[in-house]
Amino acid sequence: AQKITQTQPGMFVQEKEAVTLDCTYDTSDQSYGLFWYKQPSSGEMIFLIYQGSYDEQNATEGRYSLNFQKARKSANLVISASQLGDSAMYFCAMREKLNTGGFKTIFGAGTRLFVKA
Amino acid sequence: DGGITQSPKYLFRKEGQNVTLSCEQNLNHDAMYWYRQDPGQGLRLIYYSQIVNDFQKGDIAEGYSVSREKKESFPLTVTSAQKNPTAFYLCASSNGPLNQPQHFGDGTRLSIL
Repeated sequence: AQKITQTQPGMFVQEKEAVTLDCTYDTSDQSYGLFWYKQPSSGEMIFLIYQGSYDEQNATEGRYSLNFQKARKSANLVISASQLGDSAMYFCAMREKLNTGGFKTIFGAGTRLFVKA
Repeated sequence: DGGITQSPKYLFRKEGQNVTLSCEQNLNHDAMYWYRQDPGQGLRLIYYSQIVNDFQKGDIAEGYSVSREKKESFPLTVTSAQKNPTAFYLCASSNGPLNQPQHFGDGTRLSIL
């Protein structure tokens, strides 16, 4: 069965430093997509970054980068130069194609990031 | 601007009452999803619909029902059979291909009176 594991319930980082949020996944499919979302205290889900299973380069989006290690089935999110506004819940997610032709996304339990001034 | 609108933002349910959460999207997406989020937890899939007039159970469908009569609308009914409905409910939509992220509404917080 597909599964996403985020082992860090909470993380602290000093403002302006980098932080890595861990994510491992389990799937038997060859084609899948990995996503990271940010959820501030207000509750909305904000898409941050995407990595495809066939992408050889690690994805980057501004201060966000995804450290993709396919053999280890890990997709860690790296946030550089942390800002106070980065304090939020972060979810790793995996999207797979269903036999019916559609897609299904499963989410990890999340990591709450606290940025200290 | 295109997006997903969920209403109401807050909802209170009495014992034995069914309540319906609204989700409307103007993104022209084929697929729509309902998730439940408990405090400090991840998102769990309740129901999803890949196309109008068709929907599938997710991982925690018991006590919930949905309909998909229009492409833009995917309402969720929390029935009295759902004994622990207090949670944050998120609606999402997406299109293929695999690299497309889901777009989310702002959520509905449901509580028991």
